[in-house]
Amino acid sequence: GAGVSQSPSNKVTEKGKDVELRCDPISGHTALYWYRQRLGQGLEFLIYFQGNSAPDKSGLPSDRFSAERTGESVSTLTIQRTQQEDSAVYLCASSLAGVGGRTEAFFGQGTRLTVV
Amino acid sequence: QQQVKQSPQSLIVQKGGISIINCAYENTAFDYFPWYQQFPGKGPALLIAIRPDVSEKKEGRFTISFNKSAKQFSLHIMDSQPGDSATYFCAASRGSTLGRLYFGRGTQLTVWP
Repeated sequence: GAGVSQSPSNKVTEKGKDVELRCDPISGHTALYWYRQRLGQGLEFLIYFQGNSAPDKSGLPSDRFSAERTGESVSTLTIQRTQQEDSAVYLCASSLAGVGGRTEAFFGQGTRLTVV
Repeated sequence: QQQVKQSPQSLIVQKGGISIINCAYENTAFDYFPWYQQFPGKGPALLIAIRPDVSEKKEGRFTISFNKSAKQFSLHIMDSQPGDSATYFCAASRGSTLGRLYFGRGTQLTVWP
């Protein structure tokens, strides 16, 4: 597809279960971001991948959160032992270079995670 | 600590009016200031962006005004339309280090017909 693709679009999980969220960036985009958006809130940075550099994990809220990216392709965000406060929309974005390189960041439509 | 502060949180404007959203930042190393527009159920999309070497940038009905000395920038939507009703986010980043975007908390704009 032409845009950033995220799956699943919706996920309901029980408290304590692990979940994996997937992001397919635009082909050729070297930079990939994960953000979290709680209901009615702004965008909370989680993690940033740029090419082969070490990822910027400074936004991950706890060690239950982790993310991987294979080369410049798919990324997976994993949340272990989910808690109700993890309920949010998880947004992925990609760009040709780092977002600060003044190239546009394209966002996916997000994965709405509900922890019950 | 919120790196980019955005106001107001919500804004109601009549059709044809001017919508103004303001943002302020602290880090003088920021050199890229985009605005994103988000419709319900969608991801944010880039609307317009500015660098600090200019004080204003206009694209159609959308204008960014930038005040480097005050560390403030604002989005003006002229002739606001109901279709402009969305959430708007300002952001900032340090382009020279390919750093991440810091977002404001967003402004929910409602344009009444």
